[in-house]
Amino acid sequence: DVKVTQSSRYLVKRTGEKVFLECVQDMDHENMFWYRQDPGLGLRLIYFSYDVKMKEKGDIPEGYSVSREKKERFSLILESASTNQTSMYLCASSLLGGELFFGEGSRLTVL
Amino acid sequence: EDQVTQSPEALRLQEGESSSLNCSYTVSGLRGLFWYRQDPGKGPEFLFTLYSAGEEKEKERLKATLTKKESFLHITAPKPEDSATYLCAVQAAGTYKYIFGTGTRLKVLA
Repeated sequence: DVKVTQSSRYLVKRTGEKVFLECVQDMDHENMFWYRQDPGLGLRLIYFSYDVKMKEKGDIPEGYSVSREKKERFSLILESASTNQTSMYLCASSLLGGELFFGEGSRLTVL
Repeated sequence: EDQVTQSPEALRLQEGESSSLNCSYTVSGLRGLFWYRQDPGKGPEFLFTLYSAGEEKEKERLKATLTKKESFLHITAPKPEDSATYLCAVQAAGTYKYIFGTGTRLKVLA
């Protein structure tokens, strides 16, 4: 069965802390994505990666960075968390042109 | 600009009361249109991919159809367990990006 695993389901962090969200997929997919989901705004793309060490900005990259050192792993980094980054973060992977497979999500609260 | 609009935002049905959800899209060259189901607090779960106008896909009580401007998700004789948010997304040709609508929240009452 295909699987995308996100490291933490729930996190609570303080303003200014560095936050790492990790995502691992076991399907050998080239493409991996980080979205955030907020009520009324839907899913918004933060970053995506189409190959190891390759990344492209999505629609809302400000305040975020990513790392993809291995094909199966895609990390999202918040260098200095702020309260407006409180959200549900969703990782996904896909083959080119194929459907997205999502993880269970990481709900981040920044106090 | 590529765009996806879903309607209605929310829908309440009685068990057994069939209905349809709409996904209207504008995209410069459609590579694929995708339907997902999302339960509260969880990640979206893939349902269907449609690639060309006239295409239809079915799974249990769900049937997805596609025209050049919109897609419908038909729910026949829904059950309470069909309650969820249904998301539509499109991918334009020549891009890695998927554009999502804001979803339809479906509640099926027993």
